[in-house]
Amino acid sequence: GAGVSQSPSNKVTEKGKDVELRCDPISGHTALYWYRQSLGQGLEFLIYFQGNSAPDKSGLPSDRFSAERTGGSVSTLTIQRTQQEDSAVYLCASRRSGYGGELFFGEGSRLTVL
Amino acid sequence: AQSVSQHNHHVILSEAASLELGCNYSYGGTVNLFWYVQYPGQHLQLLLKYFSGDPLVKGIKGFEAEFIKSKFSFNLRKPSVQWSDTAEYFCAVNGDSGYSTLTFGKGTMLLVSP
Repeated sequence: GAGVSQSPSNKVTEKGKDVELRCDPISGHTALYWYRQSLGQGLEFLIYFQGNSAPDKSGLPSDRFSAERTGGSVSTLTIQRTQQEDSAVYLCASRRSGYGGELFFGEGSRLTVL
Repeated sequence: AQSVSQHNHHVILSEAASLELGCNYSYGGTVNLFWYVQYPGQHLQLLLKYFSGDPLVKGIKGFEAEFIKSKFSFNLRKPSVQWSDTAEYFCAVNGDSGYSTLTFGKGTMLLVSP
């Protein structure tokens, strides 16, 4: 597609359940980022994939969070045993290869943990 | 580690007023600097960016920003705001090379009253 696509757009789950959030980046973009946006907290970096390099996982808040990127394209962010504090908008962004290019963001997946 | 500080969390202006949003970053090396904007109900989009050269950069919709290296600042300005500028504005920094994480500030919510 023309832009970064994320699904689901909204997800309501019960505490303790696992959730998977999907990101389909712009075709040809080698860099992919996941951020978490909470009210008043701005954008919190979670994980960064660049080509075939090992991902930068330094932003993942706990071992309940993981992400993978298959075939250098689609990425899935998994949150296990969700907690109420995981409620947020999860944003995916992609960037064309090259130095310091613009990030293109998806609409986000709003996660609500009850 | 890199960090970004945005001075104001909320700004309220009347139409035609001038705008300046403060942004300071912390990083010892070469940086790329960005301002992103999120209009109500929309995804994040790039407003302007600085990589090198002229420290005064111009973006879309009449916005500009000035990089002052000695002050580690990248303030956003617009001489006359419009109601349609109501949005959340995020400053971001990307250190050393383009192949690194993009760190965002907590954002500034701008409300322009007609």
